[in-house]
Amino acid sequence: TQLLEQSPQFLSIQEGENLTVYCNSSSVFSSLQWYRQEPGEGPVLLVTVVTGGEVKKLKRLTFQFGDARKDSSLHITAAQPGDTGLYLCAGRGNYGQNFVFGPGTRLSVLP
Amino acid sequence: DAMVIQNPRYQVTQFGKPVTLSCSQTLNHNVMYWYQQKSSQAPKLLFHYYDKDFNNEADTPDNFQSRRPNTSFCFLDIRSPGLGDAAMYLCATSRDLTGGETQYFGPGTRLLVL
Repeated sequence: TQLLEQSPQFLSIQEGENLTVYCNSSSVFSSLQWYRQEPGEGPVLLVTVVTGGEVKKLKRLTFQFGDARKDSSLHITAAQPGDTGLYLCAGRGNYGQNFVFGPGTRLSVLP
Repeated sequence: DAMVIQNPRYQVTQFGKPVTLSCSQTLNHNVMYWYQQKSSQAPKLLFHYYDKDFNNEADTPDNFQSRRPNTSFCFLDIRSPGLGDAAMYLCATSRDLTGGETQYFGPGTRLLVL
């Protein structure tokens, strides 16, 4: 069974600080997605990474897929209150396998 | 804009009264998923359709059923809702089941069971 772990589970920081959240597994994934979810809303896709070692940037967000495609990180530079939310990673293994979700990191950015 | 649409956004039902949640997509994706998400938890997959082929997760209760009459629409039927079924229900789509495919979510329907 494929499992994804995320750390930290909760993170509260001040506006302007940098942070990194992690998504780890002992399994290999063909792809991994990061989502941000606000209360009462569905998850919104931030990025999909598919190549080991891949780095993608989305404004102040930097995503990295581990070389072995077992882990990923999300780094936010100069966090803003609008970054507050639940950050979920989800991975898919081979063809036909379902997506596996991590438990999420709940981020709170205080003004 | 191409998107995944869920109606209604909020649904209130009574204990034991059947309820149907709907999802539609304009992405023309082959796969449609239904997830249940309870407070402070990750989404939990209930089942998915690949085209017309239905795939049920082993631990999905029989109380939950689904229909996909065409590519665009998929329904979640809860035959006899219990208090424990109150949750956010998320519909998602992906183009295919290939490992590299991305999953796109709708805004969700929050179900309240009285």
